[in-house]
Amino acid sequence: QVQLVQSGAEVKKPGASVMVSCKASGDTFSSYHMHWVRQAPGQGLEWMGLVTPSGEATKYAQRFQGRITVTRVTSTSTLYMEMSSLRSEDTAVYYCVAEKNTVFEYWGQGTLVTVSS
Amino acid sequence: QSALTQPRSVSGSPGQAVTISCTGTSSDVGAYPYVSWYQQHPGKAPKVLIYDVNRRPSGVPDRFFGSKSGNTASLTISGLQAEDEADYYCCSYAGTYVFGTGTQVTVL
Repeated sequence: QVQLVQSGAEVKKPGASVMVSCKASGDTFSSYHMHWVRQAPGQGLEWMGLVTPSGEATKYAQRFQGRITVTRVTSTSTLYMEMSSLRSEDTAVYYCVAEKNTVFEYWGQGTLVTVSS
Repeated sequence: QSALTQPRSVSGSPGQAVTISCTGTSSDVGAYPYVSWYQQHPGKAPKVLIYDVNRRPSGVPDRFFGSKSGNTASLTISGLQAEDEADYYCCSYAGTYVFGTGTQVTVL
């Protein structure tokens, strides 16, 4: 079992950056690929990117390439997602997810990021 | 990567069966045996129901059944219950990952 607790809601202006964190506890954090998935209000789930268990490699959805960075700190069992050049369309709930063998097993509670002038 | 296509909504009466389709391409659903399904109740995080096309995690009732043919995966819910009313998403591995557009299930 892995428990994922995310940082609190954020309100940002267009063009700003945001960093969302996700602290894991329970099972071995370092054995999971960690992902970010977002959900705009009233919309579906959208996969954004992942970091490998070692933290040495990342993959991002093409539409977020160059705008997001996913990192993890093994010593503190914490995952981070930083997104830059925010626009109103980035208003969404952002979930961190622990994945093993292509299964999104454990989800954080979600962090609402609101982008508004 | 385009989202996988699901019907916007399906409905059924208690006890009936409903099936949700998830159509992708030969680069995602058709290419890998790694289709999963997630259930999401309003205001909650998604929960995995099916993985590897047709495997259920422990604790998921056997009323939920997954299958795949070609580029289309399906989730069948038999013996529909009130608590099954939720949004359902398919997801396919494709080197990266892609979710379906989501289906709202209504229990009449």
